[in-house]
Amino acid sequence: GESVGLHLPTLSVQEGDNSIINCAYSNSASDYFIWYKQESGKGPQFIIDIRSNMDKRQGQRVTVLLNKTVKHLSLQIAATQPGDSAVYFCAEIPYGGATNKLIFGTGTLLAVQP
Amino acid sequence: ETGVTQSPTHLIKTRGQQVTLRCSSQSGHNTVSWYQQALGQGPQFIFQYYREEENGRGNFPPRFSGLQFPNYSSELNVNALELDDSALYLCASSLQGSEAFFGQGTRLTVV
Repeated sequence: GESVGLHLPTLSVQEGDNSIINCAYSNSASDYFIWYKQESGKGPQFIIDIRSNMDKRQGQRVTVLLNKTVKHLSLQIAATQPGDSAVYFCAEIPYGGATNKLIFGTGTLLAVQP
Repeated sequence: ETGVTQSPTHLIKTRGQQVTLRCSSQSGHNTVSWYQQALGQGPQFIFQYYREEENGRGNFPPRFSGLQFPNYSSELNVNALELDDSALYLCASSLQGSEAFFGQGTRLTVV
């Protein structure tokens, strides 16, 4: 499939290490944030979400941290695996917006070295 | 898989032509959004359809238009194609207020 990773910031990690992917969002009125994973040739896949009334949320091997003061979002992936290699996007939804009127960030290419 | 299917998967068109892209939403979903994803960038919101009516539009010219049918499937039409319209076009379906599921996209190349 076609790569979506050209010209994107890249994070290269060793298999088994923890990964941290960062995102700065633009709209201080946004109240819902989602991380998506996009593999080559596929559409974005939901990973984890967080509401603005929270600062941390954990899923299976993933944690999202939200810092509203500096409008910063991060995705932590524990024990990164080769299957985690993909482009990761944060997306925001302004207050009152619908859940699929998403505003996507630029994306980060995660490359996992075996 | 998400249950959202898009057709065709790849398409090549000539500048000035018109194109129609199709999306079948996940069963039971009444809302469809379309996004344009240029190479190396994040998806950009084009518009959304809810129960056959346009329900929000991004910063795209009128030559980008759409339809939603009674079965909630959808079409994206682009007239007078330009070279910069070359991109991956993504469809996402949802119930209003719930998680959006994306299809695999249609790769459009304008030459």
